[in-house]
Amino acid sequence: DTAVSQTPKYLVTQMGNDKSIKCEQNLGHDTMYWYKQDSKKFLKIMFSYNNKELIINETVPNRFSPKSPDKAHLNLHINSLELGDSAVYFCASSPTSVEKLFFGSGTQLSVL
Amino acid sequence: DAKTTQPNSMESNEEEPVHLPCNHSTISGTDYIHWYRQLPSQGPEYVIHGLTSNVNNRMASLAIAEDRKSSTLILHRATLRDAAVYYCILREPQGGSEKLVFGKGTKLTVNP
Repeated sequence: DTAVSQTPKYLVTQMGNDKSIKCEQNLGHDTMYWYKQDSKKFLKIMFSYNNKELIINETVPNRFSPKSPDKAHLNLHINSLELGDSAVYFCASSPTSVEKLFFGSGTQLSVL
Repeated sequence: DAKTTQPNSMESNEEEPVHLPCNHSTISGTDYIHWYRQLPSQGPEYVIHGLTSNVNNRMASLAIAEDRKSSTLILHRATLRDAAVYYCILREPQGGSEKLVFGKGTKLTVNP
């Protein structure tokens, strides 16, 4: 069983659309994250949730809205997609907010 | 954001040791040094971490300078599967939790 799973793996969409990326972890971890890796391969944290509560919110446009229905899931909804949103998005989890992270395999988003 | 400096790339031969350096001259007394690696088309993977003393695990060893301003990740016998981008990271406290701030990393090429 995959520890941190993201769906879909690939997402191709038009500018202006709204899309969601789902993330689930079966490790029983309390903390989940979203990271964005751009075309230059820089990995930047976007959000962090601990037990469904938002604890880190980097400077991300408010078109991006994370939602955590329970501590095993952290979904990312993106409104009004722009060309610059094209990137690979990684979900991750950790037992607490100060321990090592386990990453999913990523969702490659292409906005045309 | 990243407070670590690493060479952009390094090369090694299979079955030889590899020493990946990292400078972190602005490290604070409570910052842990973490190493992650990212294999092609995968999410980052935890390798090792330490505070002051050298650390060993099944994947690698971490040698930390006495003044903690630099560290070295040691792969004792490189294999082709070790070809990846290696990130040296200082975990930064934020609001009672911590976040990983990734730098550019070192792209390791392993020659057969």
